[in-house]
Amino acid sequence: AQSVAQPEDQVNVAEGNPLTVKCTYSVSGNPYLFWYVQYPNRGLQFLLKYITGDNLVKGSYGFEAEFNKSQTSFHLKKPSALVSDSALYFCAVRDRGGGYNKLIFGAGTRLAVHP
Amino acid sequence: GAVVSQHPSWVICKSGTSVKIECRSLDFQATTMFWYRQFPKQSLMLMATSNEGSKATYEQGVEKDKFLINHASLTLSTLTVTSAHPEDSSFYICSARAGAFGTDTQYFGPGTRLTVL
Repeated sequence: AQSVAQPEDQVNVAEGNPLTVKCTYSVSGNPYLFWYVQYPNRGLQFLLKYITGDNLVKGSYGFEAEFNKSQTSFHLKKPSALVSDSALYFCAVRDRGGGYNKLIFGAGTRLAVHP
Repeated sequence: GAVVSQHPSWVICKSGTSVKIECRSLDFQATTMFWYRQFPKQSLMLMATSNEGSKATYEQGVEKDKFLINHASLTLSTLTVTSAHPEDSSFYICSARAGAFGTDTQYFGPGTRLTVL
């Protein structure tokens, strides 16, 4: 069964510093991986996805993620954090079994960027 | 990016009444739509998946008679919470996808907060 883990409930970082939000996955076959961000009382916004190709994927708002097959990881990164990046971040993997290719989400990581 | 809307954004209802939530894909045709439920400070729980013109597929533990889903067109899906009770109070989020392939991106609506008194 496909699964994704976000080992950190919360990440704290100072504004201007680089940030990393961790995600590891477990899949059979090639993974399709996604990152979404959720602001308070809002739906999820798509940031980026990895399907195939370059291991470094660039997405919205200056975010990028690095796919590492040997470590089964897909960590989200940003070189310089902004206070406005403070939000809830979800990693997801596509469940390619059972039809409909539904997304399986991690528990979420709350990112707090301090001025 | 693609836009998905939900209506209403919030609703308060009395126990025992039914509430309908609409989900629309505004600038693309959604072959598949998903309905999620999110409790405070928790991840999204998939409730059901629907394809246009066919019956929804419900996740284990989700009552299909209580949460009625209709995917009437390629741009509209509705979730009706029937005979709502306070424990149904939650944040409901819909999602839409243009294609059926695993590589296709799912786009999410802004969510509907349901409060049942």
